[in-house]
This record gives sequence, structure tokens and C-alpha cells, in this order.
Amino acid sequence: QKEVEQNSGPLSVPEGAIASLNCTYSDRGSQSFFWYRQYSGKSPELIMSIYSNGDKEDGRFTAQLNKASQYVSLLIRDSQPSDSATYLCAADHGSSNTGKLIFGQGTTLQVKP
Amino acid sequence: GAVVSQHPSRVICKSGTSVKIECRSLDFQATTMFWYRQFPKKSLMLMATSNEGSKATYEQGVEKDKFLINHASLTLSTLTVTSAHPEDSSFYICSAAVRILAKNIQYFGAGTRLSVL
Repeated sequence: QKEVEQNSGPLSVPEGAIASLNCTYSDRGSQSFFWYRQYSGKSPELIMSIYSNGDKEDGRFTAQLNKASQYVSLLIRDSQPSDSATYLCAADHGSSNTGKLIFGQGTTLQVKP
Repeated sequence: GAVVSQHPSRVICKSGTSVKIECRSLDFQATTMFWYRQFPKKSLMLMATSNEGSKATYEQGVEKDKFLINHASLTLSTLTVTSAHPEDSSFYICSAAVRILAKNIQYFGAGTRLSVL
């Protein structure tokens, strides 16, 4: 069973702090990794994609990938109350080229003013 | 990012009726679309993978006669919940895969909240 694991949280950080969200995956063949943000009652929104080992930065967001450890993380700098949401980590199926993803259960982030 | 339109956003229907949900990719052609179901405070559950011009591939435990999927063009997939019952009440979300630099990326529609009375 191919899986993506996340701590469901909630993760609570004060406004302005760095929020660190973590994810592990089981399929060593996975090549593409994604972070989606989902506000309550809304559908997921793509925040970051990462395909190579190392860091990828986009504004206040940094995604980190370590394929040897099968670990993906998302750092949110200068956290804002508007960042409060559930963050879904996803990995592609290594053996498939359809774009099908395996989603984690999501981590709920609460940023307190 | 790519735009995926999903309609309707909310449906309330009587038990026994059928409901059709449309998913359109507005600014790109999607050879593959996906249908998910999500219960409150739970993660996404993939129901089926929809490929243009061919039969959908359903995940284990999903009744294909209950959830009819049609992918008639490269920009439109529909999900029909047949003979809906209260236990079918859920948040249904579609996504479309776009290929960018040899990578498939999924973009989601806004979702359809189905309430069956």
C-alpha cells in the first residue's frame, strides 16, 4: 500500500513565526511532490511543487525534498492568520504517468494573532 | 495556474434522484481528470480517474454503476450520482491534470457540496 503520512495536528504557531509542516512517503518511485492548501469548506489550492532534492523557494514558502529519507517538508515564513488552513502533501505514483496522486491526511495549521 | 471550473457548487436533492456534476478545464486541455470525495475533516478520497474517450478507472470500493463518469472531450468530464441517497451526501471535487515541463500537475475545481434529503 503506497502511502503519504502527515501529522494531522493542529500545529499552532504565533503570527510572524515559521511554520514547519512535514510529510513522509512510502513509494520510492515517486518523482513529483506537491503541497496543497485547503481552507475549510473549499477545495485544495496548489502552493508548491518540487521534483529534485533540496530546497525550492517561492515567496514566504519553501519546500524541501530528501528522496533518500523519503521526506518532504513545507516551511512558511512570517506566518499570517490567513495561512490558517489544512495543508495536504501529495506524491505521484512512481509506476504511473497519469498524474494520479497519493494524498496525505493533511496537517491543520493555526496561526494565532 | 490552470483554471478548472466545477458546476454546480451546491446541490440539494431528494432521495432517489440523480445529480450531474460538470468539471471543465477552461484554459487547457486535460487528457486526465480525477474525481474525489471528501467527508468533513477527512482527506481526499480518490473515486475514479477519467480519461478522454475511454472508460473511467474506478478505485476499489467505488460503485461504477452508482457514480457514472463521462469524459466526452478534452475539456469536460461529468460525474452523475445515480439514485442518490442520504449517505451520498458529501463534498465532491474534480481535478484536471495538465502537463508542464514533462510533469503532470493537478488543479482542482471549487467542489460541489451534495446534500441528499
